[in-house]
Amino acid sequence: QQQVKQSPQSLIVQKGGISIINCAYENTAFDYFPWYQQFPGKGPALLIAIRPDVSEKKEGRFTISFNKSAKQFSLHIMDSQPGDSATYFCAASIGSGNTPLVFGKGTRLSVIA
Amino acid sequence: NAGVMQNPRHLVRRRGQEARLRCSPMKGHSHVYWYRQLPEEGLKFMVYLQKENIIDESGMPKERFSAEFPKEGPSILRIQQVVRGDSAAYFCASSPWTGSYEQYFGPGTRLTVT
Repeated sequence: QQQVKQSPQSLIVQKGGISIINCAYENTAFDYFPWYQQFPGKGPALLIAIRPDVSEKKEGRFTISFNKSAKQFSLHIMDSQPGDSATYFCAASIGSGNTPLVFGKGTRLSVIA
Repeated sequence: NAGVMQNPRHLVRRRGQEARLRCSPMKGHSHVYWYRQLPEEGLKFMVYLQKENIIDESGMPKERFSAEFPKEGPSILRIQQVVRGDSAAYFCASSPWTGSYEQYFGPGTRLTVT
């Protein structure tokens, strides 16, 4: 049973455009929602994360939007650049920290000039 | 400040051999997690350890897999009698303190079983 569903599987965006990746979760006990960026042959790098007490968090060009009632959260990449081309994973965890992350299956983003 | 270190980066084993994967957490981090990533899949949790203790092994296969994090030295993920289905990328992550949510990942070990 997949607890975090991520879409789309792949995404092509023009340079300067907005990339949007969505995730939906089932377990209402989840209370930490990070996004990771992974380049080929590398490990996932923590990009940005949110807790359910806020509906939006912004860091530079990256924004997380969180809808607790819909059990959905999304990553928005503004002014997308070719260097943003990577695989993005959403994840979720429960508890008071130090608990396993449950990952979505990933979105392969390609930003074309 | 060095990040999470894993070695080897690539490992090739024949069926039936043993694989040992090593992970050194970030300096000052005492919590280690192991995840497995199959091609075109997200990461799947395997085990969570603190120094000398296994805290959560709910994602570990019941046979052939074991993990340790000794008082001195790196964390080790050991796979005995490897089979082709064990071919995957194995990632280690660390977090700094009890109650920390953030997990920082290493570059991974790509295991190929021939």
